[in-house]
Amino acid sequence: GDSVTQMEGPVTLSEEAFLTINCTYTATGYPSLFWYVQYPGEGLQLLLKATKADDKGSNKGFEATYRKETTSFHLEKGSVQVSDSAVYFCALSVADSWGKLQFGAGTQVVVTP
Amino acid sequence: ETGVTQSPTHLIKTRGQQVTLRCSSQSGHNTVSWYQQALGQGPQFIFQYYREEENGRGNFPPRFSGLQFPNYSSELNVNALELDDSALYLCASSLGQTGGAFFGQGTRLTVV
Repeated sequence: GDSVTQMEGPVTLSEEAFLTINCTYTATGYPSLFWYVQYPGEGLQLLLKATKADDKGSNKGFEATYRKETTSFHLEKGSVQVSDSAVYFCALSVADSWGKLQFGAGTQVVVTP
Repeated sequence: ETGVTQSPTHLIKTRGQQVTLRCSSQSGHNTVSWYQQALGQGPQFIFQYYREEENGRGNFPPRFSGLQFPNYSSELNVNALELDDSALYLCASSLGQTGGAFFGQGTRLTVV
């Protein structure tokens, strides 16, 4: 079945450091890929998405490129801020599954001043 | 444009009781999905409603049921609550059956 695997956390960084969160997927069809962010005590916010191979999603300084050959969608940010501390979820959606989102387990990111 | 709103924000129930959670979808969105997020885990798909019909279901027992109303708002009902039902329940709305849904802030359910 469809699944998403992302690196375990917590990932602890200093402010202005480079962030990478690895995400790989398994899907029977051609999925759309997403990154969601969850701040403490809140729901999920869509951070970025890519719907086909080689697409790059970007938002708020975060980027991820849909790599079909490596079945990956790694999240990157060049210079993190304390306000980026949150849990990040990689997810996929396959066209014939009613837009159902399959999530990874989440990666907690802690940015220290 | 209003976002997705859920009520209540927190709820404590006793094992064996029934609970109803509510969700108002984002304006113009006709599809609502419900997810269960256990502590420290990713959300798990419960089911989706599209134009008032259940349109897909995850691996959850029949005691999890739902409704969607003509204004596209939705309810999640859970009967015979178990301790393992303690979780954050998230509602997500979208226009049609596309991914990239918009989520509410969730309802934290605690079963004691």
